[in-house]
Amino acid sequence: QSALTQPRSVSGSPGQSVTISCTGTSSDVGGYNAISWYQQHPDKAPKLMIYAVSVRPPGVPDRFSGSKSGNSASLTISGLQAEDEADYYCSSDEGSYTYVKFGGGTKLTVL
Amino acid sequence: QVQLQQWGAGLLKPSETLSLTCAVYGGSFSGYYWSWIRQSPGKGLEWIGEINHSGSTNYNPSLKSRVTISVATSKNKFSLRLSSVTAADTAVYYCARGAPDFYYAMDVWGQGTTVTVSS
Repeated sequence: QSALTQPRSVSGSPGQSVTISCTGTSSDVGGYNAISWYQQHPDKAPKLMIYAVSVRPPGVPDRFSGSKSGNSASLTISGLQAEDEADYYCSSDEGSYTYVKFGGGTKLTVL
Repeated sequence: QVQLQQWGAGLLKPSETLSLTCAVYGGSFSGYYWSWIRQSPGKGLEWIGEINHSGSTNYNPSLKSRVTISVATSKNKFSLRLSSVTAADTAVYYCARGAPDFYYAMDVWGQGTTVTVSS
């Protein structure tokens, strides 16, 4: 079971938008809507930013949005802020909701 | 506000068994899935497995032969055991809650426990 594929790094300037992709297969991303995105700052536990493809938990700014098309999901961060600089991980259910698979992570740099 | 507090041995020798416990404070134990996730140094997240309040488990197929997750419902705690550890099991281990309202995405995380396997 290989991890979901994410770009190693993305970058953007304050105020700009960036999109992070997460590519899987029809057995994971393409087959389920249980797609989540997590933000992790250095030496901190991950934080849930998006669940069910595009839903933000309470307290997450609406600058964060998610989508899915086919076997790929995306996280878009608009109006970049310095505090958005972090690692971002996607996750998906697989195998009839019995297994959770993570992406390899994307390092976001705010220039 | 729900909090997860985890603890366990931080230094193990190869072939020993890793044992970690996570306690749930300030919220219900029932109705959720409780997961263990690890992160090797400089690497990404790896889901280890999960358990619900009644003891039903799911495991990562790549670790299934060595993993046991158990629950102590009356004490709002759940535990991880990973047998026959090697240096490859060196990682920060997290416990987390999977919430039904969030499609069982992990909305609350423990603080993490660093486990080092070294002879």
